[in-house]
Amino acid sequence: DSGVTQTPKHLITATGQRVTLRCSPRSGDLSVYWYQQSLDQGLQFLIQYYNGEERAKGNILERFSAQQFPDLHSELNLSSLELGDSALYFCASSPRTGGANEQFFGPGTRLTVL
Amino acid sequence: TQLLEQSPQFLSIQEGENLTVYCNSSSVFSSLQWYRQEPGEGPVLLVTVVTGGEVKKLKRLTFQFGDARKDSSLHITAAQPGDTGLYLCAGDYDYKLSFGAGTTVTVRA
Repeated sequence: DSGVTQTPKHLITATGQRVTLRCSPRSGDLSVYWYQQSLDQGLQFLIQYYNGEERAKGNILERFSAQQFPDLHSELNLSSLELGDSALYFCASSPRTGGANEQFFGPGTRLTVL
Repeated sequence: TQLLEQSPQFLSIQEGENLTVYCNSSSVFSSLQWYRQEPGEGPVLLVTVVTGGEVKKLKRLTFQFGDARKDSSLHITAAQPGDTGLYLCAGDYDYKLSFGAGTTVTVRA
């Protein structure tokens, strides 16, 4: 158990819909990272927040957005969903910012878009 | 396109055999990490290498960072069924982690 929690574990929805994925980092960790893992693209970095502020952006679509709240939990919002958005979405946390820091991954949310 | 290329993509070996997984790039990384991921779970960090030429050992696993900090390898000695999983390398590039596509290792009993 990494100490990072993600909800829900599974999510099935239809094209065009909007969903919100939630992540609670390990106690004391200030950085939260979101990743998308699909069979054809592998694990892709989406976005990072550090202590409530956006710190780095990766291959995140404009239909996707995220935020980190004062209690440090984070939400990833996916809208106008397409079939290709079906994937595993992971949240990771670390005490500090910067890629070299060990990141602790949550169990992931499996999103299926029908 | 992946910044990091991992090979082979799949590896199936018998218990007790050795294996090596490679991670290559044309880019220089300030550090490189290896993760292992099991089905239905998130990746778990195995090691971070920072210095060119660095070798780190974790029980039967040996990790090497290339002198030019562009490549790395993971060697497992006397593999066991518990070593089965997806092995991912990740490079620290522009303060973000860029992951390779992974090598799926299956160790048969």
